[in-house]
Amino acid sequence: DAMVIQNPRYQVTQFGKPVTLSCSQTLNHNVMYWYQQKSSQAPKLLFHYYDKDFNNEADTPDNFQSRRPNTSFCFLDIRSPGLGDAAMYLCATSSSVPSYEQYFGPGTRLTVT
Amino acid sequence: GQNIDQPTEMTATEGAIVQINCTYQTSGFNGLFWYQQHAGEAPTFLSYNVLDGLEEKGRFSSFLSRSKGYSYLLLKELQMKDSASYLCAVRDRGAAGNKLTFGGGTRVLVKP
Repeated sequence: DAMVIQNPRYQVTQFGKPVTLSCSQTLNHNVMYWYQQKSSQAPKLLFHYYDKDFNNEADTPDNFQSRRPNTSFCFLDIRSPGLGDAAMYLCATSSSVPSYEQYFGPGTRLTVT
Repeated sequence: GQNIDQPTEMTATEGAIVQINCTYQTSGFNGLFWYQQHAGEAPTFLSYNVLDGLEEKGRFSSFLSRSKGYSYLLLKELQMKDSASYLCAVRDRGAAGNKLTFGGGTRVLVKP
């Protein structure tokens, strides 16, 4: 059974048109992350939620926002996508216990036209 | 901040052994992870080291030396399905919420 679910798997949006990616989890983990991964590059952390506390990375553009309405769901909002935002967006979850690994969803591949 | 280095690409033959090295610099080490990522898919967890030494899990083993800021992932009895990228990731002691910093990944190509 899928534990971290991302919808949609593929998303096409137009330059400047807002888009929302969603992530849900059945693990009841209190930490959720959003990563951006471009081709042949490492996943780059955009932000994470520790319970309801939002933690933004210093170099995450203002164009990227996130919402976590409850433990199970987390959303990534891109307010005005540019061509440079085309990437794979990975959602991950973990327990707050330090030894626990992060569980990744299958990702959403975003194309900006 | 953190700096993580690993080779970009390695090629090996089916049935052989490959060792992927990872060096890191961090202000407060609190664990190192290895993930496998097939093209177009999400990373999947392989191993976790927080103390020095070797952790063995089937065909995969991971080694850590904290004093040297060094880890390696050893893949034995290589199979074609092992062709993937292997990501080294480090957690910083001061990082809230188990935050990880990933290296650029090592792409392993297994040839028949």
